[in-house]
Amino acid sequence: QVQLVESGGGVVQPGRSLRLSCAASGFTFSTYAMHWVRQAPGQGLEWVALISSDGSSKYYADADSVKGRFTISRDNSKNTLYLQMNSLRAGDTAVYYCARDRFGSGWSYFDYWGQGTLVTVSS
Amino acid sequence: EIVLTQSPGTLSLSPGERATLSCRASQSVSSSYLAWYQQRPGQAPTRLVIYGASSRATGIPDRFSGSGSGTDFTLTISRLEPEDFAVYYCQQYGSSLPITFGQGTRLEIK
Repeated sequence: QVQLVESGGGVVQPGRSLRLSCAASGFTFSTYAMHWVRQAPGQGLEWVALISSDGSSKYYADADSVKGRFTISRDNSKNTLYLQMNSLRAGDTAVYYCARDRFGSGWSYFDYWGQGTLVTVSS
Repeated sequence: EIVLTQSPGTLSLSPGERATLSCRASQSVSSSYLAWYQQRPGQAPTRLVIYGASSRATGIPDRFSGSGSGTDFTLTISRLEPEDFAVYYCQQYGSSLPITFGQGTRLEIK
């Protein structure tokens, strides 16, 4: 069965960096686009980033939310998705989920989600 | 950016009752690219319920149905079961990014 397992979360000071990982299994990882979505404590869902199945196309949420600070990437040989987060701010505190897109290119709905990993940005 | 507004914020109903959740978009959602997700507090993972505004995801019981087009969409649960009490989010994945979510409707036991 499809499994997505995030890791790498933790407590980090403002301005520091963190890299999240999402290990995929139960499907052919290299044929699906993948997303990162985050959820601040007690809040709703916020789309963060998208990467195409071959890693050639990457898209990010706009404005000062994450663009320019976060980088999405993938290693299809390791069936793993990554999110490199730099210059972290208190507002980045959230549970970060990886999610599988229904298709390999472009974007669509998310048919599987991981259980999430908590990132807390605090001094 | 398409803003999705869900109503009500909280819906209190009893098992066996009918639930109607609304999602309104700030502009038309192309090709009915709208999905609904279920989040049970403390229970990962988030589950896809409806996609394409009205298609049930794999394994979703037929008491769940979706409808709507353009800017107004509805998720209906015909007869609530105990496991249906959760938070529901709508999402649009239309032709332009960013993908956006509504703020959620909490469906709680009355």
